[in-house]
Amino acid sequence: DAGVIQSPRHEVTEMGQEVTLRCKPISGHDYLFWYRQTMMRGLELLIYFNNNVPIDDSGMPEDRFSAKMPNASFSTLKIQPSEPRDSAVYFCASSFLVQETQYFGPGTRLLVL
Amino acid sequence: KQEVTQIPAALSVPEGENLVLNCSFTDSAIYNLQWFRQDPGKGLTSLLLIQSSQREQTSGRLNASLDKSSGRSTLYIAASQPGDSATYLCAVSNFNKFYFGSGTKLNVKP
Repeated sequence: DAGVIQSPRHEVTEMGQEVTLRCKPISGHDYLFWYRQTMMRGLELLIYFNNNVPIDDSGMPEDRFSAKMPNASFSTLKIQPSEPRDSAVYFCASSFLVQETQYFGPGTRLLVL
Repeated sequence: KQEVTQIPAALSVPEGENLVLNCSFTDSAIYNLQWFRQDPGKGLTSLLLIQSSQREQTSGRLNASLDKSSGRSTLYIAASQPGDSATYLCAVSNFNKFYFGSGTKLNVKP
């Protein structure tokens, strides 16, 4: 398996624009997690899915953030409208069971100007 | 809310030295604890996972211990190598919540 795949790897956009981050989990994994990493706040869990259903979105910072998982092999994290404080590295991870090892993707480095 | 602390924030050691990284957490009601490695500009790689019922896990030169009652875990790295240079993060989970420490940045000098 190629591991967790994220795209794009880098994104530079202007404030107010819509940003869509994409993730393909490892095949067979039932859990998918979205994280955000910043110098100030470290690594934070935003939302996670089980069998394509959102289980806990309490980490989503604002209504500007939304996440979907239309099928077992694809998820998106959307920010609309984006703001400079959203600049961070966004990671996607997947696991077979919620309490087992999570496998992380390489991340998307987002810069909002 | 669970708080995870890692000390020290940075560590520099000569090659070949044995070292210990520390992780502490405030709520002992955890399901498991994981140690991850993160290289610059990369994602996290899981090193060891300790279930709440376990005391330690070993993989090669790495040994992780868990003391739930005191809210502590240690990652022991034996015979460190320059390739071990990275940031090491610990993460705890309880009731489907996941909390990460801020990491220890390790530099192993040749």
